[in-house]
Amino acid sequence: GENVEQHPSTLSVQEGDSAVIKCTYSDSASNYFPWYKQELGKRPQLIIDIRSNVGEKKDQRIAVTLNKTAKHFSLHITETQPEDSAVYFCAAIRGNNRLAFGKGNQVVVIP
Amino acid sequence: GAGVSQSPRYKVAKRGQDVALRCDPISGHVSLFWYQQALGQGPEFLTYFQNEAQLDKSGLPSDRFFAERPEGSVSTLKIQRTQQEDSAVYLCASSYNMDTQYFGPGTRLTVL
Repeated sequence: GENVEQHPSTLSVQEGDSAVIKCTYSDSASNYFPWYKQELGKRPQLIIDIRSNVGEKKDQRIAVTLNKTAKHFSLHITETQPEDSAVYFCAAIRGNNRLAFGKGNQVVVIP
Repeated sequence: GAGVSQSPRYKVAKRGQDVALRCDPISGHVSLFWYQQALGQGPEFLTYFQNEAQLDKSGLPSDRFFAERPEGSVSTLKIQRTQQEDSAVYLCASSYNMDTQYFGPGTRLTVL
């Protein structure tokens, strides 16, 4: 099955700086890649997603880039704010509907 | 509109008890998923429904776990004879297409 790995496990950034989280996946047939933000005790919240026919997608301060050849995709958060502090999960799916999640990245934005 | 809701939000069970966890998906979403999230880990797939049909139950960890969605809307995840290793957050998600999934707040199950 699909294996998704996230790096780094913890990321601390100064407020206003950019944060980048990278995910790698194993199944070249995967075609949909969402990113979820989860605050402590709350539900995973879909923040951005990308499909395999697109290389980059942007939504305000958040962007995702996909490299199908290398089988990795990255989340970019610009102008970080304290409310961006959370655990971020990447996932991948290959059309069989079961999302395979990474273990998560703890992002800490230091005011 | 209303998002995915789950009840109860917290459940404490004694080892050996049966529990039932409920999920109300977003109205009109034909696909419904159950995931298990252990502390400090990402969600792990349990099972998937399209309308009332359970199309994939390969993630259910044992035959003590059973899920149903009899009318294609509300779903119930049942765990029989709970054990301590069943302690986790159980997340439900629904989708209007084949992939974009929206999660509920989860049920935190603690088995003593």
